[in-house]
Amino acid sequence: GQQLNQSPQSMFIQEGEDVSMNCTSSSIFNTWLWYKQDPGEGPVLLIALYKAGELTSNGRLTAQFGITRKDSFLNISASIPSDVGIYFCAGPSGGGADGLTFGKGTHLIIQP
Amino acid sequence: NAGVTQTPKFQVLKTGQSMTLQCAQDMNHEYMSWYRQDPGMGLRLIHYSVGAGITDQGEVPNGYNVSRSTTEDFPLRLLSAAPSQTSVYFCASSYQTSGRDEQFFGPGTRLTVL
Repeated sequence: GQQLNQSPQSMFIQEGEDVSMNCTSSSIFNTWLWYKQDPGEGPVLLIALYKAGELTSNGRLTAQFGITRKDSFLNISASIPSDVGIYFCAGPSGGGADGLTFGKGTHLIIQP
Repeated sequence: NAGVTQTPKFQVLKTGQSMTLQCAQDMNHEYMSWYRQDPGMGLRLIHYSVGAGITDQGEVPNGYNVSRSTTEDFPLRLLSAAPSQTSVYFCASSYQTSGRDEQFFGPGTRLTVL
């Protein structure tokens, strides 16, 4: 089936720093989604991308749909404590299943 | 709107017991789905439904049953729980007719099978 590789696995940053993470796929995607999960909660959609090369912002978050359609990037500018959590990329499932395939997540930790 | 609601929030079962995880949404979404999340893993699709009366298997369907008698409800049944089913279970729904787009997730049910 589809596989999504997210990196880095975890990030330890200082408040105020910018953050970059990415996701690569073994096959072409027509949609890229970025979710954030807070401890004890379900994932919440941050940004949805639908077109190769598309760059979309949501406040301090910016995501890009890679030109090859096999990758996507998420940047967070000027991180704040509430940015802590796990960030997942997701795309349409393969193999005929009508759902989403998720990466394993990037765990963002902000050091005091 | 309450969005997607799940009950219970926590559950402990013994091996071989059965139980039903409840999921409801009040957004009139046709598409609903169940995922499981294991430590260090992303979410994996168990079953999904594109409308009342229609269900289909996802990536990891073994050991789980679903039914969709109404648009609002999509329960997940474990017929004979096994320790390998210890996980966090998320229900999701989408206003799209397909699950290949943005989905809204519930808060999860944390299940432990002893």
